[in-house]
Amino acid sequence: DGGITQSPKYLFRKEGQNVTLSCEQNLNHDAMYWYRQDPGQGLRLIYYSQIVNDFQKGDIAEGYSVSREKKESFPLTVTSAQKNPTAFYLCASGWGAEDTEAFFGQGTRLTVV
Amino acid sequence: AQSVSQHNHHVILSEAASLELGCNYSYGGTVNLFWYVQYPGQHLQLLLKYFSGDPLVKGIKGFEAEFIKSKFSFNLRKPSVQWSDTAEYFCAVSGGKLTFGTGTRLQVTL
Repeated sequence: DGGITQSPKYLFRKEGQNVTLSCEQNLNHDAMYWYRQDPGQGLRLIYYSQIVNDFQKGDIAEGYSVSREKKESFPLTVTSAQKNPTAFYLCASGWGAEDTEAFFGQGTRLTVV
Repeated sequence: AQSVSQHNHHVILSEAASLELGCNYSYGGTVNLFWYVQYPGQHLQLLLKYFSGDPLVKGIKGFEAEFIKSKFSFNLRKPSVQWSDTAEYFCAVSGGKLTFGTGTRLQVTL
């Protein structure tokens, strides 16, 4: 069953702790993306990767880090430096060309207490 | 820098009413435009897309959008909405990275 898997669906962490969100795809897509969704602000791009071992900062990269060691995996770490980490995080993948769409996972809701 | 503006934040319509959601973009290169929909509790999915050619594109579930280059717009339309269209709608532009607007929450009442 092809698709994008984000885990876990809900995640709780204490303030000051780093946390890593998982994103795996078996669609053989070259590009992967991480977005943050907040009410009234739409989706904001955190990081994206067009190819293995390479990634670029998006619009709100501060306090986040990523790695792309394998084509199918693009984990996102929310560090303690992120001032407002509680949010809904969406991972997506696509072929990477400008004229192709992205496919989204179900998302991870992170709550930091 | 590319950007997308959606001016309608929350729209409430009765069933069978016509829908038009506004989307304006800013991007200096070749435009690729998308509308995505997020139904309650579901993941984001593609409604329709424009890359080139006919500026009037048709998508799933009776939705269509018109690309007007002179107005930098890509408005979404549906002649008659259904209760099941209740969702959040996002316009997006692609120029190497996919940039989304802030979304429009559509509520369709019976």
